[in-house]
Amino acid sequence: ELKVEQNPLFLSMQEGKNYTIYCNYSTTSDRLYWYRQDPGKSLESLFVLLSNGAVKQEGRLMASLDTKARLSTLHITAAVHDLSATYFCAVDIDEENFVFGPGTRLSVLP
Amino acid sequence: NAGVTQTPKFQVLKTGQSMTLQCAQDMNHEYMSWYRQDPGMGLRLIHYSVGAGITDQGEVPNGYNVSRSTTEDFPLRLLSAAPSQTSVYFCASSSMGLPGGTQYFGPGTRLTVL
Repeated sequence: ELKVEQNPLFLSMQEGKNYTIYCNYSTTSDRLYWYRQDPGKSLESLFVLLSNGAVKQEGRLMASLDTKARLSTLHITAAVHDLSATYFCAVDIDEENFVFGPGTRLSVLP
Repeated sequence: NAGVTQTPKFQVLKTGQSMTLQCAQDMNHEYMSWYRQDPGMGLRLIHYSVGAGITDQGEVPNGYNVSRSTTEDFPLRLLSAAPSQTSVYFCASSSMGLPGGTQYFGPGTRLTVL
C-alpha cells in the first residue's frame, strides 16, 4: 500500500525567511506532484516531477525529487504572505491511482 | 474552456437519502476521478475512470457508485447517505499518456449529511 507523508503538517514562518517542506512516500514511483490549496478553494497544480533528480522552479518555490530516497522537497525562498496556503504532494501508481499526503498548512506572517 | 465543473456547490442530505454529484470536463481528458477531502487527511481517491465505459475503485469506494458513459461526464452517486460521508468532494481530470500530465480539479461540492 502506497503511503505518502509530509512534514511539517503546520508551518508558521515570517516573511523573508526560507523553509523546506518534505514529502516521503513508501513505494517506488517516478512521478510526484505538488498542489496548492487556498482556504475554501480547489487545488491548483504547482509542479510535476517526472524523474530522479528533477528540479522545477516557479517564483519563490522550488521542487525537487529523489526517487532513490523516495523524497521530494518544496523549498520556499524569501516567503511572502501570498504563499500562505496548504500544500499537498501526491504520488501515482501507473497514472491511475493517486495518493495524496495530508498537506502542509503554511502561514506566512508579516 | 470551462475546465472541470461540478454541481451542486453545496448540498445537505438526511441520512438514508440518495443523490448524484455531477462532474463534467471539456478538455477531452481520458482520466477522471473523484476524491473526498476530510480535515487533516488530505484527499482520498473514491473512484476513477480511464475512459468511457471503464471505472475502477480507489482507496475509499464503499457507499459510492460511478459510471462513465461519455468522455465528458463522470457522476458520483451516493446510494444511502450516512453522516460519515459528510465531506468536500472534488472531481478531477487529466490527459493520460502525456508526460507531465497533471490533474485539473473542479471547484468542489460541500456535502453535509444529517
